[in-house]
Amino acid sequence: KAGVTQTPRYLIKTRGQQVTLSCSPISGHRSVSWYQQTPGQGLQFLFEYFSETQRNKGNFPGRFSGRQFSNSRSEMNVSTLELGDSALYLCASSLALGTGSYTFGSGTRLTVV
Amino acid sequence: GENVEQHPSTLSVQEGDSAVIKCTYSDSASNYFPWYKQELGKRPQLIIDIRSNVGEKKDQRIAVTLNKTAKHFSLHITETQPEDSAVYFCAASNRDDKIIFGKGTRLHILP
Repeated sequence: KAGVTQTPRYLIKTRGQQVTLSCSPISGHRSVSWYQQTPGQGLQFLFEYFSETQRNKGNFPGRFSGRQFSNSRSEMNVSTLELGDSALYLCASSLALGTGSYTFGSGTRLTVV
Repeated sequence: GENVEQHPSTLSVQEGDSAVIKCTYSDSASNYFPWYKQELGKRPQLIIDIRSNVGEKKDQRIAVTLNKTAKHFSLHITETQPEDSAVYFCAASNRDDKIIFGKGTRLHILP
């Protein structure tokens, strides 16, 4: 079966712009989580969606937002981009909240210039 | 607060030797502890996980141990091979079912 698909793979934006990233989970997986990966900081939790509802949120500013659609696909949006937002954004899908294992997508590498 | 500490940040071992990575967590409600391996330029992949009702789990050359009283868990890789070179992340679920990751350990297998 198809894995977790993230689009686009690479993105270059300028400061102040906004960006939308997309994640399609494995068929049947209803939970989608988003992580920001930067060198030295590991994987930092952004948020988790389950059945179209945000169930958990990490310690990121309000510029970071997301949503999940009825088909479990998820999007995350970052507004007013800052240089420090440059990172690899990974989404992961799982069958249930916190009780299953994650399958990660390949990520979207965002560069803010 | 919720926190997962992982040590060491970098580890070099001779091929054939064992490698041990240790993690501690702060949330006493944590009950699920996965380990992920991320090779250079690739996505993290689950390699082994353990739940709080089990003290140890083994899968071929890798094993994970859990000490709930001390709130720490460890990954053990025996007979290391070149393909074990990667970044390894430990993680723990918290009381809100959020999965919190450690900062990772870069493992180098020396020839």
